Amino acid sequence: GNSVTQMEGPVTLSEEAFLTINCTYTATGYPSLFWYVQYPGEGLQLLLKATKADDKGSNKGFEATYRKETTSFHLEKGSVQVSDSAVYFCALLKSAGGTSYGKLTFGQGTILTVHP
Amino acid sequence: GAVVSQHPSWVICKSGTSVKIECRSLDFQATTMFWYRQFPKQSLMLMATSNEGSKATYEQGVEKDKFLINHASLTLSTLTVTSAHPEDSSFYICSAFSGNQETQYFGPGTRLLVL
Repeated sequence: GNSVTQMEGPVTLSEEAFLTINCTYTATGYPSLFWYVQYPGEGLQLLLKATKADDKGSNKGFEATYRKETTSFHLEKGSVQVSDSAVYFCALLKSAGGTSYGKLTFGQGTILTVHP
Repeated sequence: GAVVSQHPSWVICKSGTSVKIECRSLDFQATTMFWYRQFPKQSLMLMATSNEGSKATYEQGVEKDKFLINHASLTLSTLTVTSAHPEDSSFYICSAFSGNQETQYFGPGTRLLVL
């Protein structure tokens, strides 16, 4: 079956530091890959996505590249801010067709804390 | 675009009562919506898949008679927690799947406290 593995957290950084959160996946076919962010007490917000190999998703300074050869979708940001403190979820959407289309498989989430 | 709302955002109820949570896709139609439960500092646990015009599909271990799901239109799904007990207290999050975007969009969540 499909699975997503994220790096263990929590991650604590100083403001303006470089961020990497690793994400690897196992899936059949050609899934789409997502990063969602959850701020305290809120639902999940879509941060970025990529639908095919070598696609790069980007938003708000965050980037992730769909690497089929390494089955990875690592999240990066060059300079984090205090406001980036949140929980980040990597997720996989199985390719179209068949049952369970539309269902996401989530990683366990990574807590990021950024200090001034 | 792609906004999903949930109502209420907070609810406190007495043990034994029922609580209904609404999930709406505001600017797109969603034939499929999902209901999740999230415990503190944990990932989301999928409870059920809600399909417009048909019965919901529940994940293993989720009591369908306790968590009633209705998906009466392409923009509205409801989750009713029947005969709620303190152990049902949790953060419930819905999402709506946009087929055009091939993306799930999430609501802001509903925090339920059963006394």
